[in-house]
Formats: sequence, C-alpha cells, structure tokens
Amino acid sequence: EPEVTQTPSHQVTQMGQEVILRCVPISNHLYFYWYRQILGQKVEFLVSFYNNEISEKSEIFDDQFSVERPDGSNFTLKIRSTKLEDSAMYFCASSEDRHQPQHFGDGTRLSIL
Amino acid sequence: AQSVTQLDSQVPVFEEAPVELRCNYSSSVSVYLFWYVQYPNQGLQLLLKYLSGSTLVKGINGFEAEFNKSQTSFHLRKPSVHISDTAEYFCAVTDNQAGTALIFGKGTTLSVSS
Repeated sequence: EPEVTQTPSHQVTQMGQEVILRCVPISNHLYFYWYRQILGQKVEFLVSFYNNEISEKSEIFDDQFSVERPDGSNFTLKIRSTKLEDSAMYFCASSEDRHQPQHFGDGTRLSIL
Repeated sequence: AQSVTQLDSQVPVFEEAPVELRCNYSSSVSVYLFWYVQYPNQGLQLLLKYLSGSTLVKGINGFEAEFNKSQTSFHLRKPSVHISDTAEYFCAVTDNQAGTALIFGKGTTLSVSS
C-alpha cells in the first residue's frame, strides 16, 4: 500500500537555526498537509497546500514557517529561525481530494536545543 | 469553531473485553468524522471514517463507530480487544463545506492487559 514518507525521523537543531522537514506524499494525491504534536498534547493543524499554494493555515503557521513543493514529489516545511517551543513531532499528510481521508507519515521528531 | 472532546484520557481493559472510546464534537456545520490510531513511535493510521450514508461505520481491526447527529457523538467500539490494540486513539473532525484541516481530540490511551 502506498504511504507517506518523512525524513529525517529525528532532527536536532540549535535554537535560531533554520530547519527543513521533508515529505514525499502519496503519488496521486493532490492535497498536502503539515501537523504538529507537542509532547503530551493534541495533534494540531498547521497548513494545507493545493495546486502549488497554501489553501488553509492555522494561527500557529506564522511568518517563521513556509511550505514548498520544489518538484513533483517532495513537500517541505521550513522553519526559518527555530525556537525552543518548536520542539514537537511534525507529521506530513496527503489526501486524494479535499474531503477524502488524510494519510499520515510516521513523523519527524524535531528537538530544539 | 469546531472542537473535539475525547472524554476519557485513559481506558484500561482486559483482553477479550469490549471497549468504547467516547468522542463528542462541536460544530455549527455538517462534518466529516474520523478515528485514527497511533502505535508507539509511529504515525497516525486511519481506523475508520464517516463521510455520509449509514451512521454505523466499520473500520479496520474489528473497530466500528456510530455517528449520532443529535448527540454530536462518534463513539468508537470493539466487541473484543486484543493486547495488540494497545495504542493512542484520536477522534478528528473536518468541516465538510470549506475547510480541509482536521481538528483532533486530545486522544485516548487504550491499554489492554491479559
């Protein structure tokens, strides 16, 4: 069964540094998403992306965050200047269509020191 | 704004016992509802979904859920659990009119022991 893949599985970064989290969505899916889960808290929506532009974003997704689909397969989340509170598990997801179920990757654990 | 409440943060049960994990949602518009399961150190796996049609939906691993619009609930049930069902379970909702964002509950940890 096709799956969403995320790299790296664990990223350790110094505060203030830029970080890029990478995702390969399922190949025939058109909608892409990023979520995060701070340890012990609920999964929170960050952003959705369709047709090469952001279709929806949450209050968490401020100017420090950006997303890109640099080629036909990858979908990236960039955090420009990381803060301690950015430490979390970041999940990428994709779906065939707008209201079809979202399929999640295994996540990238981001640790900010 | 939508919200999801999972009433139980932890549910301990014995193997082969039935289980119900409760989920209530709040929304002013029609919704789509989902249950996801998260095993340790893994991502979220879709268990089942309600998009339309029959209010009783069946999912993987013997789980089922019933959409109750009047009670705004979407409780997850399994008649007989296994040790391997031990995991975190998340209820999620999305607005079926405009948005695509999934709004998650805080999760319920199901612990199955022998």
